[in-house]
Amino acid sequence: ETGVTQSPTHLIKTRGQQVTLRCSSQSGHNTVSWYQQALGQGPQFIFQYYREEENGRGNFPPRFSGLQFPNYSSELNVNALELDDSALYLCASSSMTGSEETQYFGPGTRLLVL
Amino acid sequence: AQKITQTQPGMFVQEKEAVTLDCTYDTSDPSYGLFWYKQPSSGEMIFLIYQGSYDQQNATEGRYSLNFQKARKSANLVISASQLGDSAMYFCAMTSGRGTGRRALTFGSGTRLQVQP
Repeated sequence: ETGVTQSPTHLIKTRGQQVTLRCSSQSGHNTVSWYQQALGQGPQFIFQYYREEENGRGNFPPRFSGLQFPNYSSELNVNALELDDSALYLCASSSMTGSEETQYFGPGTRLLVL
Repeated sequence: AQKITQTQPGMFVQEKEAVTLDCTYDTSDPSYGLFWYKQPSSGEMIFLIYQGSYDQQNATEGRYSLNFQKARKSANLVISASQLGDSAMYFCAMTSGRGTGRRALTFGSGTRLQVQP
C-alpha cells in the first residue's frame, strides 16, 4: 500500500464529453504526476504539479489540464474526449530521497471512451 | 531526450530460479535515476528498486538487485528465487535532468514475466 488513492476506479464516457479524475497523494508528498497508459504500452507522462503549480508537461494537448490543491491532492481534467483517450490513468506522488525522487503510484483509473 | 529499451516482451522462469530482465537506456545527461516497477494485472505500479547514476554500488532490495553497467548504459533487474506472485509486467524507467527532483519518468515498453510452478 502506497497511500496514494485514485477515484473513480472505472469510468465510461462518450466521445466529446468531459471527465475529471482525482488523486490523493501520500502523506508528506508535495509533488503529483499524472501518466496515461494505453493498453499494452508503458505509461506516458502527462504533467506534474509541485506545490500547486504545473512543473512540467509531456506531449499532450491543452484539453488535458490539471489542478493541485493546498493539501497536495490533484485532479486531471480531460475535455472533448476522443476514443484514443481510453486508457489507464495513473497518478503518482513523490518526495525527495537523497538526490532522487521516487514516485509512488495509485491504483489507477480505467477510462473507456465510447 | 531520454529513451528506455526493453527488448524482452515476455519471459518464463521456473519457481525458485533467478531471472534477469533487460533494460538499456539512452540519455545525454550525466545525472539520472533508474527505476524498476512491477505492474500486476490489477494495474497498480509498484516501486521495486532505484539506482542513481552516481551510485558506486549496485542497488539491492530483498530479492531484487539492479545490475548497473554505466558504460554499456544497461540497468538489468535480477529477481532471485522467483515466486508465483512475481508474475506481472515489469517496467524499467528513468528520470534525468540537473538539479533537484520532480522530474518525469520515461518508461520502457515492459516485460511480461510468468513464473511457472
